[in-house]
Amino acid sequence: EVRLVQSGAEVKKPGESLKISCQASGFSFTSYWIAWVRQTPGKGLEWIGVVYPGDSDTRYSPAFQGQVTISADRSVGIAYLQWTNLQAPDTAVYYCAICYSTIPARPHWFDFWGQGTLVTVSS
Amino acid sequence: DIVMTQSPDSLAVSLGERATITCKSSQSLLYSPNNKNSLAWYQQKPGQPPKLLFSWASTRKSGVPDRFSGGGSGTEFTLTINSLQAEDVAVYYCQQYYSSVLTFGGGTKVEIK
Repeated sequence: EVRLVQSGAEVKKPGESLKISCQASGFSFTSYWIAWVRQTPGKGLEWIGVVYPGDSDTRYSPAFQGQVTISADRSVGIAYLQWTNLQAPDTAVYYCAICYSTIPARPHWFDFWGQGTLVTVSS
Repeated sequence: DIVMTQSPDSLAVSLGERATITCKSSQSLLYSPNNKNSLAWYQQKPGQPPKLLFSWASTRKSGVPDRFSGGGSGTEFTLTINSLQAEDVAVYYCQQYYSSVLTFGGGTKVEIK
C-alpha cells in the first residue's frame, strides 16, 4: 500500500525555522519525484517544488526559490520541506505528493498525496 | 507561468443531473511528441487531500467512477460529472504540466441543489 505520512501540525513565531517531513512507504522512493504543494484559502493550490530522491535533483517554483529548501533522505524514505525565516504569509497546509513523470526529468501530475501538515505562523 | 482559469467558481446541481466544469489555460497544453494535452484534474473533499481523477486531460485514473469524464484540447478543457451523486460534493481543480512550472486552477466547488 502506497503511503505518505506527514509530520504533525506546527505553530511557530515569525523569524523561526522549521522542517516538516513526509515519510514514504509502499513504493520505490528513489524512482519517483516527491513534490510539495501549499494550500491557502486565498491562493488555492501552489506548487512549491520537487525532489528526485534517486539523485537528489531538486526543482523549485520561481515563487518559492530561495524561500524554502526541499530535500530527501533515501536511506530512510523521507522527504523534507524547511524554512529558516518563517513569516505570517507562510501559514498554510502543506502537502507532499508523489509526482508522476512520463518524460525524464519532467514532473507531471500529483498521483498520490499525503494527509497534509498545517503550519501556523503567528506572533 | 501558465495561468489556469476555472469556471464557474461554484455550482449547485441536483442529484442525478450533470455538472460541467471548464478550465482554460493561457497557452496551449498540447504536447506534440505524443499529441496529448498536459492537463490533470483533481477532486478534494472537505478535510482531505486532493485526489487525482485524470491525467492527459481524459485518462481516468483506476478506480475513478465512469460518470466522471475529462475532455477538451489546446487551451480549453472540461470535467463532466454525469448523474451527480452525493459523494461527488467537493472542490475540483485542474493543473497543467506542459510547463516546468506546475500550476493549478483556482478550483470549482460542486454542491447539491
